[in-house]
Amino acid sequence: RKEVEQDPGPFNVPEGATVAFNCTYSNSASQSFFWYRQDCRKEPKLLMSVYSSGNEDGRFTAQLNRASQYISLLIRDSKLSDSATYLCVVTLSGGSYIPTFGRGTSLIVHP
Amino acid sequence: DVKVTQSSRYLVKRTGEKVFLECVQDMDHENMFWYRQDPGLGLRLIYFSYDVKMKEKGDIPEGYSVSREKKERFSLILESASTNQTSMYLCASSLPTTGELFFGEGSRLTVL
Repeated sequence: RKEVEQDPGPFNVPEGATVAFNCTYSNSASQSFFWYRQDCRKEPKLLMSVYSSGNEDGRFTAQLNRASQYISLLIRDSKLSDSATYLCVVTLSGGSYIPTFGRGTSLIVHP
Repeated sequence: DVKVTQSSRYLVKRTGEKVFLECVQDMDHENMFWYRQDPGLGLRLIYFSYDVKMKEKGDIPEGYSVSREKKERFSLILESASTNQTSMYLCASSLPTTGELFFGEGSRLTVL
């Protein structure tokens, strides 16, 4: 079983739609969680960290469910510029901090 | 502004050549990583380093080696390039306390 799993998509949504992605992780000792955004042929960039209490940044909301071992990303009022691949990253603590990446979820926002 | 710089954006090499990919960060980060990214496979960790002269194998170290002689520089070496090493190579650095990764722009290597 892969350590971090994501639905590859693509998720094809119209502008203005709300879309949600989930990411499941297998190691219950995971401590740090992130969502990264990667545009075509570019490097990944941090979109947001995911905190236990959940966090929001404008149109983006991230949630963590430790009991079910998944994190989610909700995008409201989708823009054309949100089209990208969204990578889930999970990191163990205890000094190692080796990030493990999901394979990414592709989002296409169309007019 | 934080910066991770990879020396070459695009390289074309022949099978059997030795290839050096350089990565420099200016954020005084302890941790540095080399990943390769291939369609459908996502990012896979090749090697990482927690400190100068320290290195650890990642998930796919075969055919690669690394060097970290200075804190800011982490080099990936392909001793004898093969066609299956054609890929996008991404270098990243992070602080051990936060885990947030900062990536370079990537080096797209083609081995003929």
